[in-house]
Amino acid sequence: NAGVTQTPKFRILKIGQSMTLQCTQDMNHNYMYWYRQDPGMGLKLIYYSVGAGITDKGEVPNGYNVSRSTTEDFPLRLELAAPSQTSVYFCASSYSGGGNQPQHFGDGTRLSIL
Amino acid sequence: AQSVTQLDSHVSVSEGTPVLLRCNYSSSYSPSLFWYVQHPNKGLQLLLKYTSAATLVKGINGFEAEFKKSETSFHLTKPSAHMSDAAEYFCVVTSGEGSARQLTFGSGTQLTVLP
Repeated sequence: NAGVTQTPKFRILKIGQSMTLQCTQDMNHNYMYWYRQDPGMGLKLIYYSVGAGITDKGEVPNGYNVSRSTTEDFPLRLELAAPSQTSVYFCASSYSGGGNQPQHFGDGTRLSIL
Repeated sequence: AQSVTQLDSHVSVSEGTPVLLRCNYSSSYSPSLFWYVQHPNKGLQLLLKYTSAATLVKGINGFEAEFKKSETSFHLTKPSAHMSDAAEYFCVVTSGEGSARQLTFGSGTQLTVLP
């Protein structure tokens, strides 16, 4: 029972480089989410998806893109890395998007942009 | 609109003594409330949730929280702290209806447990 798996766990990028953060879940959840966590702050929603082929912006989407071609996978892409994107990124999933549904989190990707 | 305030950024207790982590919320609708725990280099794990049933909610690892509508609070407690409880704790509020965009996280409380 893997749950939500994120790769890589750590990455250092140079300004202007691009990369894709991978997220996969094996719980057959419809909803998936990407958050970023900055020091001393709660999580901020970047993008979310309610099912394969459907994505929508969260609170802080600028500088990121997502796709959802399958139920299991929800990759997050940074096209032109900037120092402001240094953060810890968490992927999460839930069975539905209802407010009483708990979300299941991966262990995070720690990203530094230098 | 909704918001959540965790009143203490750091709490330090001795092993075996009670734990109290405070959370106040505001919501235009009947809220659902969650407490999550985050251990170092790990993702968030659900401790407990309140979704308009019993106001005293019991969670994992001996934690519980009481929903008090009149005080707009959802404080997390545990009778006796264990060393393994040292972690960061997040209070989360949502409207109970609507989309994923409605989830709002507090800024977190770092719990230190002293031997």
